[in-house]
Amino acid sequence: DARVTQTPRHKVTEMGQEVTMRCQPILGHNTVFWYRQTMMQGLELLAYFRNRAPLDDSGMPKDRFSAEMPDATLATLKIQPSEPRDSAVYFCASGLRLAGAPYNEQFFGPGTRLTVL
Amino acid sequence: AQSVTQLDSQVPVFEEAPVELRCNYSSSVSVYLFWYVQYPNQGLQLLLKYLSGSTLVKGINGFEAEFNKSQTSFHLRKPSVHISDTAEYFCAVSEGSGGSNYKLTFGKGTLLTVNP
Repeated sequence: DARVTQTPRHKVTEMGQEVTMRCQPILGHNTVFWYRQTMMQGLELLAYFRNRAPLDDSGMPKDRFSAEMPDATLATLKIQPSEPRDSAVYFCASGLRLAGAPYNEQFFGPGTRLTVL
Repeated sequence: AQSVTQLDSQVPVFEEAPVELRCNYSSSVSVYLFWYVQYPNQGLQLLLKYLSGSTLVKGINGFEAEFNKSQTSFHLRKPSVHISDTAEYFCAVSEGSGGSNYKLTFGKGTLLTVNP
C-alpha cells in the first residue's frame, strides 16, 4: 500500500529554534507539494517540485522557510528561525505528472503538527 | 485568480439522512474541481473530481457532485450518510489548462458531523 510518509508527526519547539520536516513521496512520483493548514488561513500551497526542481515557492515566506529535494525519495521543509505564528499542520503531497495528462492527482501524507512556543 | 467558498463551516445531520455540502467558486478561466475528505489526524483523500464531460460526477463512499457552470457551483451530495462519514470536507479548484493547473485552491472546509 503506497503512501506518503512524513516525519515527525508532532513537533514542539521553542521560538528561534530550527525545525526540519521530512517527507518521503510515493515511489515513482515526480511531483511534490508542501502545504500549510491553519484555522485562520485554511490550506495554503507553500512549494511545488517537479522532478526535484522547485517550480513554485511563491507561497513560502522566503526569509525563514526553505524547501529542498536532496533526492527523489526525500523532500525537506526547514524553518529557521521558527516563530509562534508558524504553528500549523504541514502536509506533504506527491503525484505523478505525465506529459499531456490534464492534471495529476495529489496523494497527501498524514502531516506534521508543529507547535512553536 | 481563483477562489472557493464553502458556504457552511459545519453541517450536523442524523445517520441515514441525506446531506448536501455546498461549494461555489470563482475563476476567469475554465477549471477543474475537486472534493477532498480529511478524517481526524489524517491527510486529505480525494473523493471525486470534475475535469470535463458529464456534469454529474460519482466518487468513493457513495458521494456524488454536480458541476453547474452557470451558477459556478460544485455541491457534494450523499443520499444516506453513515457515522463513518464524519469528517472535514474540502472543495478545491485548479485551472483547467495551462502550466498552473497543478495549483489547488482550497475552500475553508465543512465539518460534517453524523449523529446516531
